[in-house]
Amino acid sequence: TQLLEQSPQFLSIQEGENLTVYCNSSSVFSSLQWYRQEPGEGPVLLVTVVTGGEVKKLKRLTFQFGDARKDSSLHITAAQPGDTGLYLCAGGRSGGGADGLTFGKGTHLIIQP
Amino acid sequence: GAGVSQSPSNKVTEKGKDVELRCDPISGHTALYWYRQSLGQGLEFLIYFQGNSAPDKSGLPSDRFSAERTGGSVSTLTIQRTQQEDSAVYLCASSRGPGRANSPLHFGNGTRLTVT
Repeated sequence: TQLLEQSPQFLSIQEGENLTVYCNSSSVFSSLQWYRQEPGEGPVLLVTVVTGGEVKKLKRLTFQFGDARKDSSLHITAAQPGDTGLYLCAGGRSGGGADGLTFGKGTHLIIQP
Repeated sequence: GAGVSQSPSNKVTEKGKDVELRCDPISGHTALYWYRQSLGQGLEFLIYFQGNSAPDKSGLPSDRFSAERTGGSVSTLTIQRTQQEDSAVYLCASSRGPGRANSPLHFGNGTRLTVT
């Protein structure tokens, strides 16, 4: 079983602050997906990264895939209350199949106004 | 178009009763997944359907759990003789198909199951 460790597990910060959450593994993944889940809803895809060292930006969110494709980070600049939610990373293996996608346990993020 | 639809959104049942949870995937999506989400436990894979292939049932926690997908579309997850530890949010997701790197999952809003 490939494990994805997410840290921190919980994070509560003030509006306007910056933050970084991490997704780490000892295994290599062909892709890394980040999802955000709000209470009462299912996870929604934010981004997919597939190339080692890749950096993708989505407004105030910056996603990076590690050079070795074992880890990823999500950096949020000037966090806003609307960023509150559970952030999940999911590592994919080429070849498909259900066991080809491994989810981390998530980071619970609260942005206080 | 419509997203993944799950019903009911909430279900309260007594221990020992059977429950059926329904999932309508996005039209044209060949892959369908069921996950269970418990507080602090993340997403636990249950079962995966891909086209007409035999489903991957490796994540089902016991033989009380079963799922079927009729006509390659709607899926039902059945839990027999429910136990209190079955209480969780059951999430369904669909995707265009294998080739996971470029086939993100589209999730429904889940069914919150409470076993009393």
